[in-house]
Amino acid sequence: GAGVSQSPRYKVAKRGQDVALRCDPISGHVSLFWYQQALGQGPEFLTYFQNEAQLDKSGLPSDRFFAERPEGSVSTLKIQRTQQEDSAVYLCASSLSNTQYFGPGTRLTVL
Amino acid sequence: AQSVTQPDIHITVSEGASLELRCNYSYGATPYLFWYVQSPGQGLQLLLKYFSGDTLVQGIKGFEAEFKRSQSSFNLRKPSVHWSDAAEYFCAGGTNRDDKIIFGKGTRLHILP
Repeated sequence: GAGVSQSPRYKVAKRGQDVALRCDPISGHVSLFWYQQALGQGPEFLTYFQNEAQLDKSGLPSDRFFAERPEGSVSTLKIQRTQQEDSAVYLCASSLSNTQYFGPGTRLTVL
Repeated sequence: AQSVTQPDIHITVSEGASLELRCNYSYGATPYLFWYVQSPGQGLQLLLKYFSGDTLVQGIKGFEAEFKRSQSSFNLRKPSVHWSDAAEYFCAGGTNRDDKIIFGKGTRLHILP
């Protein structure tokens, strides 16, 4: 594809529900990143994959957050038992030659 | 610790005026530096990047940035802004160890007609 795509673009969840956010990186990009962006803030690092290997998950805020990239391409960020503080835009980026290219984001609202 | 700082939360300029957005970094070695722009409801678009070499880099949409080691700065400039430049601008830094980058908190640019 031409760029990084994310789905859904918007997600409304009731507190306590599980959600899954999908990221399709640019074809051939080895590295994939997830960020959380709260309103009025810069993106905060969550986790990072190189191919299917999750090399760094130090930014995941709790064990309710889980990410996977089983075949080294599409990635899913899962949030279990969502809380209101999880409301944010979740951005995915794929990387080539140390340069990250971002998708449009998924706006998650937890009611 | 590595960090990227954008001192200005908001900047307002008149259409047609020149623009400079400030970015300071704190890294042990020369970092990779980036400027991204984010329009409302959109993802981040890469404007330009600096890895090494010429310290003045040209980007898209008429933007440029200058790496100044002595001032630990990588300020973004544009000689004449357009109303469509109104957006949030993020400076980010990384190293050659991996692809991870750290973002500043952003500067929101407002354009007066």
